[in-house]
Amino acid sequence: ETGVTQTPRHLVMGMTNKKSLKCEQHLGHNAMYWYKQSAKKPLELMFVYNFKEQTENNSVPSRFSPECPNSSHLFLHLHTLQPEDSALYLCASSGLAGGDTQYFGPGTRLTVL
Amino acid sequence: GQNIDQPTEMTATEGAIVQINCTYQTSGFNGLFWYQQHAGEAPTFLSYNVLDGLEEKGRFSSFLSRSKGYSYLLLKELQMKDSASYLCAVRPNAGNNRKLIWGLGTSLAVNP
Repeated sequence: ETGVTQTPRHLVMGMTNKKSLKCEQHLGHNAMYWYKQSAKKPLELMFVYNFKEQTENNSVPSRFSPECPNSSHLFLHLHTLQPEDSALYLCASSGLAGGDTQYFGPGTRLTVL
Repeated sequence: GQNIDQPTEMTATEGAIVQINCTYQTSGFNGLFWYQQHAGEAPTFLSYNVLDGLEEKGRFSSFLSRSKGYSYLLLKELQMKDSASYLCAVRPNAGNNRKLIWGLGTSLAVNP
């Protein structure tokens, strides 16, 4: 499935760095999501954007800052992260068909030193 | 609270049939999803159930009973490539509230 792409695929950063994750969907969907996946935990929803408007912020720390300039692009800006933020960050998109099925990108494996 | 329960691990033999169960307790119900996730990769969509009954899609089938808060994913003619984690997720709300409640996933090992 190449409908949702993410860059970079791997990222190592120090706690004082600033970096951004990028997601792009080519499926004509109107909703985009950021998830965090850590070992031994369920997928954690971070943010939801619906037609470019943020509709969900799941009590995410302010060191994570999302940006959605249009329905096809989603960014996650990272600043002063902690080692416990190391995880797989997944982007997904969905449309209105098929029960609003979410389709995932390949993810960014983030390591915070 | 909202909760999804799945077995943590399962083992099966190549060529066999395996059933992965999922039970849920959620504030509402507007669909149940199954995803497959290979190690180090993203989840890929397998099936969606919103009405009671069995949905068949090739070697994979998914069943839903809303009254029992129960679903299962049935994998037939198992292949080695089916070794993966299988995630169950429920959408409690309709409309623009698109949040899913996710289970921890069931790690399936298929042995020769």
